Amino acid sequence: SQTIHQWPATLVQPVGSPLSLECTVEGTSNPNLYWYRQAAGRGLQLLFYSVGIGQISSEVPQNLSASRPQDRQFILSSKKLLLSDSGFYLCAWRQGGNTGELFFGEGSRLTVL
Amino acid sequence: KNQVEQSPQSLIILEGKNCTLQCNYTVSPFSNLRWYKQDTGRGPVSLTIMTFSENTKSNGRYTATLDADTKQSSLHITASQLSDSASYICVVSRGLAGGFKTIFGAGTRLFVKA
Repeated sequence: SQTIHQWPATLVQPVGSPLSLECTVEGTSNPNLYWYRQAAGRGLQLLFYSVGIGQISSEVPQNLSASRPQDRQFILSSKKLLLSDSGFYLCAWRQGGNTGELFFGEGSRLTVL
Repeated sequence: KNQVEQSPQSLIILEGKNCTLQCNYTVSPFSNLRWYKQDTGRGPVSLTIMTFSENTKSNGRYTATLDADTKQSSLHITASQLSDSASYICVVSRGLAGGFKTIFGAGTRLFVKA
C-alpha cells in the first residue's frame, strides 16, 4: 500500500532562518507531488507541484522553493523565513492522473517568530 | 472565475442529529468533485468523488449529491458522531481545457457535541 510521510510535524523558527520540510512517498512510482499551504478560514493554496525528478512548477511567487531530488522525495525550502510564511503546510501525491484523488501527508505546522 | 464556495462556514450540532453542508462552484470545465474530511491538525482524507453524470454517492453515514446544472453539491451526514467533528472541504477538479487545476473550498468546520 502507498504511504506518505511528512516531517517535521511542528516547527518554530525565527525570522530570517532557513527552512526545510521533507516529504516522501512509498509504494508507488513516478507520482505527481504537491506542496500546499493552508491558512485559517481559507482553502488550500497550491505552492508547487512536480511531475518528475527535477521538474518543479511554481504556482505563486513567494519566499519558498521546492526540489525533487528523487522520484518519491519532495522538499520545501526557504533561505530566509518571513513572518508571513507561518502556516500549515501539506504535502500530497496524486493517483489516477491529473484529476485523481489527492493523498495528503499529516502536515507541518510552521510558526515564524 | 473558477471558485468553490462552501456554507456554512461553521456548524454546531448535537450528537445523533443530521446535517447538510453546501458547496457551490463556478469551475469550468468540470471534471469531478470530491469531499474531503480534515481532522484538526491532520491532512485531508477523501470521502466521496462525483463525476458529471452522478447525482448521489454514499460512503457509510456520508451522502454526497451533485447537481451539475446548478453547479451545487451537498454533503449529508446522518446520525452524527463525536468523531465527525472536523473540517469538510469541497474540491473541484477542472478538465483538460482547464489544465486539470484543482480548486479547493475554504471548508465547513463541523462541531458535534454530546
